[in-house]
Amino acid sequence: DVKVTQSSRYLVKRTGEKVFLECVQDMDHENMFWYRQDPGLGLRLIYFSYDVKMKEKGDIPEGYSVSREKKERFSLILESASTNQTSMYLCASSDLNEQFFGPGTRLTVL
Amino acid sequence: ELKVEQNPLFLSMQEGKNYTIYCNYSTTSDRLYWYRQDPGKSLESLFVLLSNGAVKQEGRLMASLDTKARLSTLHITAAVHDLSATYFCAAERNTGGFKTIFGAGTRLFVKA
Repeated sequence: DVKVTQSSRYLVKRTGEKVFLECVQDMDHENMFWYRQDPGLGLRLIYFSYDVKMKEKGDIPEGYSVSREKKERFSLILESASTNQTSMYLCASSDLNEQFFGPGTRLTVL
Repeated sequence: ELKVEQNPLFLSMQEGKNYTIYCNYSTTSDRLYWYRQDPGKSLESLFVLLSNGAVKQEGRLMASLDTKARLSTLHITAAVHDLSATYFCAAERNTGGFKTIFGAGTRLFVKA
């Protein structure tokens, strides 16, 4: 079974803090994604990566950056967290056929 | 720009009834996905539809794809309470990396 893991299920941070969300997949997938999920808005793509050190902006990249130093790991970084970044963050990896999602990290920024 | 619209966004139905969730997408897509999400859980892949006329079935759920109409449907037959969840469709384009756009989701509640 494909396994996508995320470093935290729940996270509480303060405004202005730097936040790292880590995602690891064990299936040697080239493509990895970060989404945020908000009620009524579905999933919105923040960034994706199709290879090590390669990254592409998604639909809502502002306020975020990413890092893909190793194939299995894709990190989402909030340089200076703000309250409007309170959300559920979902990581996914994909082969040619479908995406596999991690369990999600519910981030609260106070 | 690829956009995905689902309707309805909320659906309350009785057990035993049939219903269809619709997913429209705005531009050519390479593939169409359906996912299920239970409260507090992540997304579970249900179907991947790759070509015009594709139909896939799993239990009481059946998904179809009409690429000419840019429409996918998820049909629920004889609903049961365990199908209560949020269902997402997503369309994908290969833009030099696979970019997937999700619909807003359909919150389905099946009354026992």
